[in-house]
Formats: sequence, structure tokens, C-alpha cells
Amino acid sequence: QKEVEQNSGPLSVPEGAIASLNCTYSDRGSQSFFWYRQYSGKSPELIMSIYSNGDKEDGRFTAQLNKASQYVSLLIRDSQPSDSATYLCAALDSNSGYALNFGKGTSLLVTP
Amino acid sequence: EAGVAQSPRYKIIEKRQSVAFWCNPISGHATLYWYQQILGQGPKLLIQFQNNGVVDDSQLPKDRFSAERLKGVDSTLKIQPAKLEDSAVYLCASSRDFNQPQHFGDGTRLSIL
Repeated sequence: QKEVEQNSGPLSVPEGAIASLNCTYSDRGSQSFFWYRQYSGKSPELIMSIYSNGDKEDGRFTAQLNKASQYVSLLIRDSQPSDSATYLCAALDSNSGYALNFGKGTSLLVTP
Repeated sequence: EAGVAQSPRYKIIEKRQSVAFWCNPISGHATLYWYQQILGQGPKLLIQFQNNGVVDDSQLPKDRFSAERLKGVDSTLKIQPAKLEDSAVYLCASSRDFNQPQHFGDGTRLSIL
């Protein structure tokens, strides 16, 4: 069973702080990783993708990938109350049609 | 660019009844996915289509679930008969090709009484 593990939280950070969300995966064959944001009652929204080791920055978001450690993270700088949501980490399963294996998500709460 | 369209948004049925969901992917997207998301969990793949062919349906409970994607565009997912454990949100996603980022529709929230 290929697993993607996330701490369910909730992770609480004050407004303006950096939120750090972490994810580990079991399938060494996975090459592509995605972070989705899901507001309560809404569908997942793609916010970041990362394919190679290192950091990838997009606005206030930075994704980090370490394939040797099988670890993916998402940093959110200058956190805003509107960032409060569940963040889903997903790994592309290269062995079965390239579907996404999702973690259970980390709930983030940004307090004013 | 229009997003992934799904209908209905909500459905309430009794156990042992049947239900069908519809999905229209983003125009030009060859790959279509149906996921099931149970409350508090991440989405789980049910079936994946590439154009009008099935790529992966290994986690689809085939005794009660069926899906089709005629003409490689719209897709329908059917449950017959429904069980209480099928209460979930059913998400449709599409991607330009099989290894490209996936974009999700708003989902159908199914409640089984």
C-alpha cells in the first residue's frame, strides 16, 4: 500500500507567521508531488507542484522536496486568516496510471 | 477557461437505491478521474480514464459501482445499490494528460439514509 502521511493537526499559527506543513511518502517511484488546499465543504484546489529536489517558490508559498528522505513540505509566509483550510499532500503514482495518492490532510488555522 | 463541471451538487437517497453523477472535464483534457472523499480523509481514486478507455479501476467496487466515458469527454459514475458506507463526496478531476496536474470539480455530496 503506497502511503502519504501527514499530521492531521490542527496547526495553529498567528497571522503574519510562517506556517510549515509536512508530508512523507512511502513510494520511492513517485516523481511528482502536489499540494492542494481544501476549504471546508469545497473541492481541492491545486496550489503547488514540485518535481525535483530542492525548493520551488510561488508568491507566499514555497514547496520543498527531498527524495532521499521521501519528504515534502509546504511553507506559507505571512500567513493570513484566509489561508485557514486543510492542506492535502499528494504523490503521483507512477505504477498505476498516474493517479494521485493523497494524505489525509493537515488542518491549518491562522489566528488574527 | 471553464473548470470541471459536476452535477448534482447534493444527493440524498435511501440505501439500496441507485444514483448517478455526471462530470464534464476541462476542454481538451484527455484524462478524467473519479475520486471518493470520505469526511476527514483525502480523496481516494475510484477510476481513471484516458480518453474513453479505462486506465485504472482497481479500487472501484465493481459489484455496485460503474462508470463510463463515452466519446472521451463527459463521464457518469453510477452506484447501484447504494450502501450506508457510500456516503461521501464524489469528486471528478481532469488533467491535460496522464502525468499533468489534476483540477477538481466542486464534487457531489452523497448522503445515504
